Amino acid sequence: DSGVTQTPKHLITATGQRVTLRCSPRSGDLSVYWYQQSLDQGLQFLIQYYNGEERAKGNILERFSAQQFPDLHSELNLSSLELGDSALYFCASSVKPGGAEAFFGQGTRLTVV
Amino acid sequence: AQSVTQLGSHVSVSEGALVLLRCNYSSSVPPYLFWYVQYPNQGLQLLLKYTSAATLVKGINGFEAEFKKSETSFHLTKPSAHMSDAAEYFCAVSAAGANFNKFYFGSGTKLNVKP
Repeated sequence: DSGVTQTPKHLITATGQRVTLRCSPRSGDLSVYWYQQSLDQGLQFLIQYYNGEERAKGNILERFSAQQFPDLHSELNLSSLELGDSALYFCASSVKPGGAEAFFGQGTRLTVV
Repeated sequence: AQSVTQLGSHVSVSEGALVLLRCNYSSSVPPYLFWYVQYPNQGLQLLLKYTSAATLVKGINGFEAEFKKSETSFHLTKPSAHMSDAAEYFCAVSAAGANFNKFYFGSGTKLNVKP
């Protein structure tokens, strides 16, 4: 158990809908990351937050947004969902904003039908 | 910019044989390098990390990796494979010293261990 908690574990929704994925980082970790894992794209970095502030952005679509709250949990919002958004979404956390290893949650498997 | 290339999307070894998973990186700044393992339907678990200290890094479950700057490589090895090592392995690089942590992952290598 990495200490990173993601909910829900599975999500099935229809195209055009909006969903929210939630992540609680390890105790004491200030930085949160979101990754998307799909068969064709592999592991893609989406976005990083550190202590509530956005620190780095990757290949995150405009339909996707994230935030980190004062209690350090984070949410990834996915809207106007398309079939191609079906993937495993991972949250990870680390103590420092840079250069530290990240600890991954078990992921949320999103299926868009 | 950073990137990672993992040679061989599938590697098959016999139980007890040497495991060698290859990773080459590209980085314009001193890199931090990591190996993660992913078991089916699980998240990624950190195996080991290189952060500019010793070039030979020992990790969990008997794995180790050697940082070779001249070859821009960070190959993962284990002297004797065990059935429980069957999983997918990811190499990752991030920029050392930055105030952000953008991990770049390789495409992964699936390790199959034959009895």
